[in-house]
Amino acid sequence: GAVVSQHPSRVICKSGTSVKIECRSLDFQATTMFWYRQFPKQSLMLMATSNEGSKATYEQGVEKDKFLINHASLTLSTLTVTSAHPEDSSFYICSAGTSGNRPRDTQYFGPGTRLTVL
Amino acid sequence: AQKVTQAQTEISVVEKEDVTLDCVYETRDTTYYLFWYKQPPSGELVFLIRRNSFDEQNEISGRYSWNFQKSTSSFNFTITASQVVDSAVYFCALSGRRGMRFGAGTRLTVKP
Repeated sequence: GAVVSQHPSRVICKSGTSVKIECRSLDFQATTMFWYRQFPKQSLMLMATSNEGSKATYEQGVEKDKFLINHASLTLSTLTVTSAHPEDSSFYICSAGTSGNRPRDTQYFGPGTRLTVL
Repeated sequence: AQKVTQAQTEISVVEKEDVTLDCVYETRDTTYYLFWYKQPPSGELVFLIRRNSFDEQNEISGRYSWNFQKSTSSFNFTITASQVVDSAVYFCALSGRRGMRFGAGTRLTVKP
């Protein structure tokens, strides 16, 4: 089946630094990728939707200047957490879908990236 | 607006008991998809089932079964003869035009 990878799986960084997380669809072209954030013992919350070649759409309350999303190709989307702070520590999960603007009938989730900001 | 409610925060059962996880959703979309995912301690989401809004047939897969009732906007998940390996957090999710909305999750603990 379809596989989505994320790199790195874990990252620890100092406060104030920027961290880039990659999400790759390994065996299919992902026209749309989604980024979710999950705090400990909480649910997944959609942060943003990115379509290849266009600007990402951010959910309410998510700072677009802090969470930079780039979807430069049909197999790669990156999330950059700029000037990370301890409150950004979370589990970041991406998913990839192929259905364009139709309802998201199938999303393939990556294994997640655990970010810890000291 | 889309919303998924999983009222049960935590459930604890003894092995071999049956357990039902509730899920109620809200959406204005006429076409949508409902999902159940399992999240073990590793964090990786495990896909369990997808159901589209036009298909109200219930489904059984081994010890798992799902009851989709559009009239009550519910999509409940039953595990029959639970096992310790079923212990995890289970998420119900709704997929519409913009991304996927997850419920708060139900933490299931199956004790031996």
